Amino acid sequence: NAGVTQTPKFQVLKTGQSMTLQCAQDMNHEYMSWYRQDPGMGLRLIHYSVGAGITDQGEVPNGYNVSRSTTEDFPLRLLSAAPSQTSVYFCASSSLGTALGAYGYTFGSGTRLTVV
Amino acid sequence: GNSVTQMEGPVTLSEEAFLTINCTYTATGYPSLFWYVQYPGEGLQLLLKATKADDKGSNKGFEATYRKETTSFHLEKGSVQVSDSAVYFCALRSSGGYQKVTFGIGTKLQVIP
Repeated sequence: NAGVTQTPKFQVLKTGQSMTLQCAQDMNHEYMSWYRQDPGMGLRLIHYSVGAGITDQGEVPNGYNVSRSTTEDFPLRLLSAAPSQTSVYFCASSSLGTALGAYGYTFGSGTRLTVV
Repeated sequence: GNSVTQMEGPVTLSEEAFLTINCTYTATGYPSLFWYVQYPGEGLQLLLKATKADDKGSNKGFEATYRKETTSFHLEKGSVQVSDSAVYFCALRSSGGYQKVTFGIGTKLQVIP
């Protein structure tokens, strides 16, 4: 089925380790983004991209890197994991809107990350 | 900047009760408005949307009307079921610029039999 695929679903890291969360979509969406979801804080935007080769920071970018070399893939890299990065991470994609209105997101199923 | 306000809950209702979850927003220009639903252990799913003032979005018995004069987009359902238990997020998105999405904090709904 078409959609957004995130891997892995679960991950435990030790403090200081690095890792990459993978996100791929097969809907030819220009827009892709990463969010983290924490209790009582809703969804917070980490990084986003409006097309291959174009990325920008969201609200909480520190400690994370992204790149967008293809339309389909938008990996999120944790450079040196910290316990404060324990969270559920969601990737989302959409088409870019027009003057007639914006499009909604398609979300992946999430990656639950624990940093010990 | 843009912002979305909704109560965190939980909202607890009996089956077949009427549901209202309030959502108000602050935004420049003319954003599109959305409701998303998140079932336990899953990602968010788009529930409904409205792209201009006075539009009504509807899906699966849920409705919301884009009220520009009151900057609101309240979610309603006439008769809730246990299967509607989930977290509901209100969101807005501008159609210009980089089109970032602003989410509310999410409202947890519990429906008891």
